[in-house]
Amino acid sequence: DADVTQTPRNRITKTGKRIMLECSQTKGHDRMYWYRQDPGLGLRLIYYSFDVKDINKGEISDGYSVSRQAQAKFSLSLESAIPNQTALYFCATSDFRTGDRADTQYFGPGTRLTVL
Amino acid sequence: AQKVTQAQTEISVVEKEDVTLDCVYETRDTTYYLFWYKQPPSGELVFLIRRNSFDEQNEISGRYSWNFQKSTSSFNFTITASQVVDSAVYFCALSEAETSGSRLTFGEGTQLTVNP
Repeated sequence: DADVTQTPRNRITKTGKRIMLECSQTKGHDRMYWYRQDPGLGLRLIYYSFDVKDINKGEISDGYSVSRQAQAKFSLSLESAIPNQTALYFCATSDFRTGDRADTQYFGPGTRLTVL
Repeated sequence: AQKVTQAQTEISVVEKEDVTLDCVYETRDTTYYLFWYKQPPSGELVFLIRRNSFDEQNEISGRYSWNFQKSTSSFNFTITASQVVDSAVYFCALSEAETSGSRLTFGEGTQLTVNP
């Protein structure tokens, strides 16, 4: 079984609809992240969470919200989807280690979202 | 602000050729981490390597090697005797330990196509 799973894997929705993307992990990691990937732009950070009570905005958080329901679950919501939110969305996790100042992030398989 | 540049948008080689993917980064931190990820056609992101700013030793893993040069702010990736299975998008990423902790900044990616 995959360590980081994302549901759904593909989603087509209409402008104005609310949509939730879910991420679950069995790696036991404390930290979770949401990124979006657009052609030619690489991956950009939307939100990240270092533990259940810690949520932080990334570089492109406008139009998105998140919920960390448990250590293993981190959801991304689009309250009112718009076409320029069409992208490939990735969830990632990492493990904080005392004395180590940056973690290695491991990514889920991605969710392809299309907003019509 | 941190920045990663992968100037090569696309590279096409014939199988068994050696190929080098360039990565240039900008950071004001003295402690930082560099990463390479592979995204095959199936879409997932696969972690390849992580280096910290205090370790300039080059690394070799099978057909893969990495050349880290602080003097030129570069972290280049070479595939020796390329194979069709190496065809993927490759991303270089940077994490500034002092200012952004585990937040990754990605380059735009290089699409590598290895032709038989």
